[in-house]
Amino acid sequence: DTAVSQTPKYLVTQMGNDKSIKCEQNLGHDTMYWYKQDSKKFLKIMFSYNNKELIINETVPNRFSPKSPDKAHLNLHINSLELGDSAVYFCASSPAGTAKNTIYFGEGSWLTVV
Amino acid sequence: GIQVEQSPPDLILQEGANSTLRCNFSDSVNNLQWFHQNPWGQLINLFYIPSGTKQNGRLSATTVATERYSLLYISSSQTTDSGVYFCAVKTGFGNEKLTFGTGTRLTIIP
Repeated sequence: DTAVSQTPKYLVTQMGNDKSIKCEQNLGHDTMYWYKQDSKKFLKIMFSYNNKELIINETVPNRFSPKSPDKAHLNLHINSLELGDSAVYFCASSPAGTAKNTIYFGEGSWLTVV
Repeated sequence: GIQVEQSPPDLILQEGANSTLRCNFSDSVNNLQWFHQNPWGQLINLFYIPSGTKQNGRLSATTVATERYSLLYISSSQTTDSGVYFCAVKTGFGNEKLTFGTGTRLTIIP
């Protein structure tokens, strides 16, 4: 059983299109995240949700809109895709409440904008 | 925000060698984790180690919180150890973000 699963794994799309990446976790965690990894492998948080509520939004363009229908799902919708959006997007989850928690990542979604 | 620097940025070793990876951070932390990103891109949690020392097989980690650094030791390296190693830290309590370091790319040559 995959603990944190993302779909699609690979996505190639044209500039200007709108696309979504879905994420689901079956770990019973309260907190979910989206991270972006750029071409230099630097990992940076984009969003964090706790029990369906947005708690971190790291100066991400408005074209990126996360949606959490329930605490087990956190989807990422991207409007008007740009070349610079090409990256690997990782979904993650962790238990909430204390700092003493480990974070579990999905396998990543490779987005290429052409 | 907190700065997290890792060294060396790149490391190439022969199979069987030992290595030490370092993570320096600029502020007090209450959560520190080490991750391995394998060549297929998977991020695997290795250690949760805000302080002290832990060992798991050939890997061990030590965090000296008062001096703001952590070390990851890999002994008897295998080709499957290749990949990028990240440390990541949190400075607050609750749901504050995990800030990742710059990473160390480790290549193990057969």
